[in-house]
Amino acid sequence: DTGVSQNPRHKITKRGQNVTFRCDPISEHNRLYWYRQTLGQGPEFLTYFQNEAQLEKSRLLSDRFSAERPKGSFSTLEIQRTEQGDSAMYLCASSLAVSSWRDTQYFGPGTRLTVL
Amino acid sequence: DAKTTQPPSMDCAEGRAANLPCNHSTISGNEYVYWYRQIHSQGPQYIIHGLKNNETNEMASLIITEDRKSSTLILPHATLRDTAVYYCIVRVALSNAGNMLTFGGGTRLMVKP
Repeated sequence: DTGVSQNPRHKITKRGQNVTFRCDPISEHNRLYWYRQTLGQGPEFLTYFQNEAQLEKSRLLSDRFSAERPKGSFSTLEIQRTEQGDSAMYLCASSLAVSSWRDTQYFGPGTRLTVL
Repeated sequence: DAKTTQPPSMDCAEGRAANLPCNHSTISGNEYVYWYRQIHSQGPQYIIHGLKNNETNEMASLIITEDRKSSTLILPHATLRDTAVYYCIVRVALSNAGNMLTFGGGTRLMVKP
């Protein structure tokens, strides 16, 4: 059983450019989450999908951020007009929600974004 | 806001048990306690979770107090590879059935030879 994969692992971009990250969840997992982690801090929740529906967004997710999960499988997170404050590790997690007890989120390795 | 309090750092001798404490005094009756760890530059790794009862798996044991206001993660025989930041998390239910993990500062565990 392969784990959550994320691409690219590292991205360096100039301020003002658009970037897109991809997350491939564990096969059959119906829930997918995005988190952001800045240096020295724990991850912070950004948004959540159940199948293809985006059901929750954090106030951290500004209008420059958009996430999709078009067929309920992989997901993309796009940041438009990047700012230096967007520099962070972007983490994706997936879970198979068969019950409240069995809804454990498994994380990918993350995409580290550096905005120059 | 994070709902847990952990010591910022701890040391443990290799081969000894590592006991990591966590306070979650405002936890609600249906909220789960999760433990993850994060090794430098990697994604968080799930360790264990519990609701009321003590739990054990191949990685660790989780001891939850009867009033559920605190818990302890036990790594029975710590190795150098267990050096990581350990996060104690209270899982918060979202309005649309999902669950949000709210990470605090974690405990940086250093296992020493």
